[in-house]
Amino acid sequence: DVQLVQSGAEVKKPGESLKISCQVSGYSFTTYWIGWVRQMPGKGLEWMGSIYPRNSDIRYNPSFQGQVSISTDNSISTAYLQWNSLKASDTAMYYCARPASSYWGQGTQVTVSS
Amino acid sequence: DIQMTQSPSSLSASVGDRVTITCRASQGISNDLGWFQQKPGKAPKRLIYAASSLQRGVPSRFSGSGSGTEFTLTISSLQPEDFATYYCLQHNSNPPTFGQGTKVEI
Repeated sequence: DVQLVQSGAEVKKPGESLKISCQVSGYSFTTYWIGWVRQMPGKGLEWMGSIYPRNSDIRYNPSFQGQVSISTDNSISTAYLQWNSLKASDTAMYYCARPASSYWGQGTQVTVSS
Repeated sequence: DIQMTQSPSSLSASVGDRVTITCRASQGISNDLGWFQQKPGKAPKRLIYAASSLQRGVPSRFSGSGSGTEFTLTISSLQPEDFATYYCLQHNSNPPTFGQGTKVEI
């Protein structure tokens, strides 16, 4: 069975850094794109960007370019979403998902508050 | 980037009603479109892939149609468990893009 298992909820202060993860099992991690989706409280879904693990090709939604970093560790079939300096407006639920598929993680709640 | 315009943003309906939701792409995307259902506090669930193919395990009252730039999701007879928010998602371009969502309310 395919599984995308995300890291747990995080509570951070503005200006702090954060890296959340999505560990994949059940398919060949390096041969499919994997992406991150943001859902702010009470709002819709936004695809932030995607990475192709085999060659680290990354495509960002222009709205998120420069705001976050997407990476992978292929040795442990894990994708990451990283912030260097969090803002209160980064408070949201974040999902990892494989594009053009039904495979989604369970979500990671990120709360940024002073 | 490809923009997806979804309508309506919300609708009120009753059990047994036929419901139609539309997505329009800013340029042709062939049939590279899926429809997702999201309930509060849950991850989205795909209902339809390739614009018109029913995901395994999804009730047959859900159907999708369209190709190119115009797509529809139809619920033939709304059931109580169908009250949720629905999104289209195109994957013809990378990264993919969602429609704005349609909240189906009682």
